[in-house]
Amino acid sequence: AQSVTQLGSHVSVSEGALVLLRCNYSSSVPPYLFWYVQYPNQGLQLLLKYTTGATLVKGINGFEAEFKKSETSFHLTKPSAHMSDAAEYFCAVSDLTGGGNKLTFGTGTQLKVEL
Amino acid sequence: NAGVTQTPKFQVLKTGQSMTLQCAQDMNHEYMSWYRQDPGMGLRLIHYSVGAGITDQGEVPNGYNVSRSTTEDFPLRLLSAAPSQTSVYFCASSHRGTTGNTIYFGEGSWLTVV
Repeated sequence: AQSVTQLGSHVSVSEGALVLLRCNYSSSVPPYLFWYVQYPNQGLQLLLKYTTGATLVKGINGFEAEFKKSETSFHLTKPSAHMSDAAEYFCAVSDLTGGGNKLTFGTGTQLKVEL
Repeated sequence: NAGVTQTPKFQVLKTGQSMTLQCAQDMNHEYMSWYRQDPGMGLRLIHYSVGAGITDQGEVPNGYNVSRSTTEDFPLRLLSAAPSQTSVYFCASSHRGTTGNTIYFGEGSWLTVV
């Protein structure tokens, strides 16, 4: 079974500071990993995904994540936080067995950006 | 391009009532699924479908029923609503495949059972 652990349910940073949201996964097969963002009362929007190839993945809004197999991690970073980044972020791993595309999500990290 | 459309957006039910959450996608995606989101628990898979006429259970299927008669539609039925089903429900779709296809989510349906 696959699982995802997001360390820190709430993270607070100052505007302009580095954003680091942590995600560790467990998977018995090579994982496909995703980061989604959810703004209040909205659906989930894909930030970035890792499937194969380059381990440093760039996404939208200046976010990027690095897949580290040895550490089973897929941490999300952004060099300089903006007020508009305040949202909830979810890491997820995909299970493709049976032709499906089932996601197992972490419990989410609420990012607060302060002036 | 509408993407994944869910209706209704908000609904209040009384315990024991039944209702159907509608989901439609216009991207010709084979794979569709329903998740529920609860505070501190992330999203959990309820049911999914890999094509018309094919459905299967996810992590938390009890109290929910689905069917897939067309590629476009994947309704979620609450058979006898319970307060524990108060949640935000998300429908999602993607192409089938083995390459980690992007999953697209609807805007969510907020359900309160009193």
